[in-house]
Amino acid sequence: NAGVTQTPKFQVLKTGQSMTLQCAQDMNHNSMYWYRQDPGMGLRLIYYSASEGTTDKGEVPNGYNVSRLNKREFSLRLESAAPSQTSVYFCASSGMNTEAFFGQGTRLTVV
Amino acid sequence: GEDVEQSLFLSVREGDSSVINCTYTDSSSTYLYWYKQEPGAGLQLLTYIFSNMDMKQDQRLTVLLNKKDKHLSLRIADTQTGDSAIYFCAERTGGTSYGKLTFGQGTILTVHP
Repeated sequence: NAGVTQTPKFQVLKTGQSMTLQCAQDMNHNSMYWYRQDPGMGLRLIYYSASEGTTDKGEVPNGYNVSRLNKREFSLRLESAAPSQTSVYFCASSGMNTEAFFGQGTRLTVV
Repeated sequence: GEDVEQSLFLSVREGDSSVINCTYTDSSSTYLYWYKQEPGAGLQLLTYIFSNMDMKQDQRLTVLLNKKDKHLSLRIADTQTGDSAIYFCAERTGGTSYGKLTFGQGTILTVHP
């Protein structure tokens, strides 16, 4: 049982490049989330999907887009990466009356 | 809006108790959580407390909730070097979306032998 799987684990981008972070869960959870973690700021919610077919903005959505591809997969896209998007990105999922389970994170550096 | 605050650092000796404090602002919070993050890893749920409780104990962990002061604490008894990690306090803000959380900044716990 893999839980929440994120790919890639590490990525270096040049300013202006685009990329997609992938997330998949195998727990049949309805809801999925993308957070970013910055030193001294905890985790902040970027986007979430309460159920398949819906997505909503979180606290810091600017510069990102998301796609809930199906119940299992929720991707995060950076269209034009900026140094301010250097961060650790975490995907999470939660089911009915269950707490959130987190992936291992993607460490992204934008130079 | 919601805001969760924690002190950034705590250093203790092995075998002592650790107390990590957290304050929150949303009085409608129903669940409050403690997560642990080890270096290079994701977040692991340690424990949680429902807002109608004052205390919850789970082996070496004790959570205290003071709703009047909107203060939450996590006590770790007999702290071990393996407890060295970042500890996050979080409140659930998403209704039925259980993973829609507001996190504190995280407290870095260092345990010295």
